[in-house]
Formats: sequence, structure tokens, C-alpha cells
Amino acid sequence: QQQVKQSPQSLIVQKGGISIINCAYENTAFDYFPWYQQFPGKGPALLIAIRPDVSEKKEGRFTISFNKSAKQFSLHIMDSQPGDSATYFCAASNAGNNRKLIWGLGTSLAVNP
Amino acid sequence: NAGVTQTPKFQVLKTGQSMTLQCAQDMNHNSMYWYRQDPGMGLRLIYYSASEGTTDKGEVPNGYNVSRLNKREFSLRLESAAPSQTSVYFCASSEARKADHSNQPQHFGDGTRLSIL
Repeated sequence: QQQVKQSPQSLIVQKGGISIINCAYENTAFDYFPWYQQFPGKGPALLIAIRPDVSEKKEGRFTISFNKSAKQFSLHIMDSQPGDSATYFCAASNAGNNRKLIWGLGTSLAVNP
Repeated sequence: NAGVTQTPKFQVLKTGQSMTLQCAQDMNHNSMYWYRQDPGMGLRLIYYSASEGTTDKGEVPNGYNVSRLNKREFSLRLESAAPSQTSVYFCASSEARKADHSNQPQHFGDGTRLSIL
């Protein structure tokens, strides 16, 4: 049973556009929601993360929006660039789970020049 | 600043052969993880080690064994490789949870691409 559902599976955006990736979770005990970025041939790397006590976190062109009541969170990439083309994973974890992350299945983003 | 180093980067095995994947981190992290990544399946946790001397099963442990050799090194062993174990294997490490209970990011190596014929 997948506890973190990620959509869409793939996304094509024009340069300068907004990329939006959504995740939904089931376990209300989750208290940490990171997004990881993975380039081909590389391991995932932390992009941005949020805790449920805030509804939005912004770092440069990347923003996480968090809706606790709907149990959803999303990644927004503003002014998308070809260099943002990568696979993006959302994840979630909760206190006391030995820092294990529950991962979404990933979204392959392609930004056309 | 090496971070997490995995060896080898590529390997081809025959069914039934054994192999150990090596992982070392130089960030003095307590926790280490082994994942496999398959198309459409995301990242699946095989085993993890919350601290030196401890290991626990993850989501897909069957067919694998691990050893936390010391704080730096965490190896993954396939005793009798099967074609279903063809995958990309990632090792990761993270700092122990701080006193404020905030999560610490996992740092990944660049993976071992393993093919089993």
C-alpha cells in the first residue's frame, strides 16, 4: 500500500513556465515532507523540505505548498529552466520511525527550451 | 569532499553468483541506508542502520544481507544473485536527529548499476 501518492508521472513544461508536482499522503503522523531532485546517473539530492507547522516554504524558484487538512503538498518551480529537467521525488516521515522516508514514485520533468 | 562513495559503479553478474556492494561516507553520519531504484517503482528501502552496530530490514530485504562494518561503512551483499535483483542500488547516509527533533537530509551516492543475467 503506497502511503505517498505522487502525480503526474511525467511533465513537460516550456522554458519560463511553472512546473507543479503534487503529492498526497495518508499517515497523519507524518511530520516532515522533503522533495528530492535526481539527475540522470546521479543519486537523489535534497531540494527543499517543509514541516506541517507552516503552509508554504520558498527557496529561490522552488516553493512547497502544504495543505494539512487535505493531506496534500506540492512543489512549484517558477520560471522553469532546461537545467531543471530531472526526476523529482516527494517523501514523508514521522518522528520515531528511525528517520525512514516513505517515497513517492517520482515525476520526470522535461523543460523545453 | 567525497560525501557518500559507492563501489563499483557498474557490475554484471550471472545468476547464482554472489557480490558485495560497498558504501562509505565521510560525513560522520550515524544512519545509513540501502535502496534499490527500478523504473516506475521509485526508491525502495532494502536495509538501514540507525547507528553503528545496528541494522534493520526495510521494505524489500529478501535476497540481501548487510553489514555495518564501522561508522563509515555499510555494505550490501547478494548471496545468490537473481535476475529480479537487476537494479540501480543507492546508498545514503544522514545525521542523527538533533535535539529539536528535526529531520536531517539523506545524502546519496551515485549508485551501483547491477545487471544479473
